[in-house]
Amino acid sequence: DTGVSQDPRHKITKRGQNVTFRCDPISEHNRLYWYRQTLGQGPEFLTYFQNEAQLEKSRLLSDRFSAERPKGSFSTLEIQRTEQGDSAMYLCASRPGSLTDTQYFGPGTRLTVL
Amino acid sequence: RKEVEQDPGPFNVPEGATVAFNCTYSNSASQSFFWYRQDCRKEPKLLMSVYSSGNEDGRFTAQLNRASQYISLLIRDSKLSDSATYLCVRNNAGNMLTFGGGTRLMVKP
Repeated sequence: DTGVSQDPRHKITKRGQNVTFRCDPISEHNRLYWYRQTLGQGPEFLTYFQNEAQLEKSRLLSDRFSAERPKGSFSTLEIQRTEQGDSAMYLCASRPGSLTDTQYFGPGTRLTVL
Repeated sequence: RKEVEQDPGPFNVPEGATVAFNCTYSNSASQSFFWYRQDCRKEPKLLMSVYSSGNEDGRFTAQLNRASQYISLLIRDSKLSDSATYLCVRNNAGNMLTFGGGTRLMVKP
């Protein structure tokens, strides 16, 4: 499968714990995006990378959230001291660059905070 | 006011019907838009891009009205497999997407 992959697909954690999600974009896609989607809503932008540089962060991304893309390939999203309000689907998308605006989404990581 | 607004539905239509969704947006400087389709508990997938005055792809037609700041999606000859949530999406600087809340379509036999 040469699409965007995300790991894990599901994560259940207790409030206060830290969690980390991984996204592997389509090979050679230099732009990578993170979104969050809650039930009944559309995805909301969190942050994006061009290669290893984090170029934009949403106000939704509180101090407890951090994202990295150290080598310009895969990315991680960490949530520290999780809260019940963090329960959502976390979606990653990638895009090849300036040739197209199309973003290709991964299957998402569904987080449940108890 | 939300930046991209959609009627959440659901729209319940019989097979073969024609159905149309509208979406309004608030930033008049927006250049391009998309319609994404999302099946239950799956990721969004691009249905079609909407540039300038709109475009058509088979049974699907998207129109953009810049003066009134709305986008429409028309689905002709609905199939059972068209049942999904349709997301109206605005493309922003840096290609950060702003999604509407989605419109749910249920096509019945």
